[in-house]
Amino acid sequence: NAGVTQTPKFQVLKTGQSMTLQCAQDMNHNSMYWYRQDPGMGLRLIYYSASEGTTDKGEVPNGYRASRLNKREFSLRLESAAPSQTSVYFCASLLGAGIEKLFFGSGTQLSVL
Amino acid sequence: QKEVEQDPGPLSVPEGAIVSLNCTYSNSAFQYFMWYRQYSRKGPELLMYTYSSGNKEDGRFTAQVDKSSKYISLFIRDSQPSDSATYLCAARGGSNYKLTFGKGTLLTVNP
Repeated sequence: NAGVTQTPKFQVLKTGQSMTLQCAQDMNHNSMYWYRQDPGMGLRLIYYSASEGTTDKGEVPNGYRASRLNKREFSLRLESAAPSQTSVYFCASLLGAGIEKLFFGSGTQLSVL
Repeated sequence: QKEVEQDPGPLSVPEGAIVSLNCTYSNSAFQYFMWYRQYSRKGPELLMYTYSSGNKEDGRFTAQVDKSSKYISLFIRDSQPSDSATYLCAARGGSNYKLTFGKGTLLTVNP
């Protein structure tokens, strides 16, 4: 049972480059999330998808675009990376319907030079 | 102002102490309240969750929610060095799946 799988685990980009973070869950969960975690800032919500076919902005969506490809997959795209996007990115999924356990992936460490 | 506020600490206690971790929130629509624990270089893991107001106990851990004062608490009894981690509170509304976290409190339990 893989749970939530994020790829890649590490990435170094130059300013202005683009990339897509991939996330897949095999638990048949309805909701999926992208967070970034920075020292002293905690987990900040970038985008979330309450259910298949929906995507909504979180606290810090600028510079990102998220896509719920199907029920399993939720991607996050950086169109033109900036140094301020250097962070650890976590994908998570939630079954919902009263089951409030959020399952996290292992994270992607992204550095933008 | 963040919807969920949490003192980042750090908090350092001796083994066996009772630890109290607290958060406040501003959104009256929040119905679900959670505590996650995060070890260094790992993703957060759910510790406890509470629906609406009240207490919930699980072993050495007790979660409390007071909706009248918009206050969320986690108590750890007989703290152990293995409890050393960052503790994050989180909350969301009943029909809104936007889950908001506090900044996290770094706890160190010294042997």
